[in-house]
Amino acid sequence: DTAVSQTPKYLVTQMGNDKSIKCEQNLGHDTMYWYKQDSKKFLKIMFSYNNKELIINETVPNRFSPKSPDKAHLNLHINSLELGDSAVYFCASSQDRVQKETQYFGPGTRLLVL
Amino acid sequence: DAKTTQPTSMDCAEGRAANLPCNHSTISGNEYVYWYRQIHSQGPQYIIHGLKNNETNEMASLIITEDRKSSTLILPHATLRDTAVYYCIAVNNTNAGKSTFGDGTTLTVKP
Repeated sequence: DTAVSQTPKYLVTQMGNDKSIKCEQNLGHDTMYWYKQDSKKFLKIMFSYNNKELIINETVPNRFSPKSPDKAHLNLHINSLELGDSAVYFCASSQDRVQKETQYFGPGTRLLVL
Repeated sequence: DAKTTQPTSMDCAEGRAANLPCNHSTISGNEYVYWYRQIHSQGPQYIIHGLKNNETNEMASLIITEDRKSSTLILPHATLRDTAVYYCIAVNNTNAGKSTFGDGTTLTVKP
């Protein structure tokens, strides 16, 4: 009965490859987020979707493309992976971007680009 | 969203209360104070939030000063499992819900 799940948990890949990370929430929330946590442990928001609509898009390279097939899923596709993309990526969800900010985070996906 | 500042690290003895301070001197009237924590290798976990009044739940208490420029998170009886990085953030609930996490406070609970 995991609330927010991510797959895979670990991802090791070569530079230049394209990879996807999947996120699913079973909380019935309307809003989902992607965060990046780098080696310095700084947690930075990347994207946010509300009811499948993009509402936050921070300064993130175009190689990163979120996709929300329905409001329970927010996947992150990364093209042409670079060494600097190595980080832990966290997915999160909240009930509603206006009424309820409390976010529930997934366990993270540890991406290592070689 | 208002910027928050927290001490880099703190220690606490097991069984004692852990008091974690946060300064948010530029907080605006419609911004809530939220606390999350991140235990090593896990995703951040919501703890508590408040606007003006003090709040308490099963995890912690939140004390907000009358001028709302600072707050304190209190873990009444810290355990070893409370060792984590604690983030204090100020959030405007009327906008797109963007949360800016700072560096947080690394709390180490010692036996």
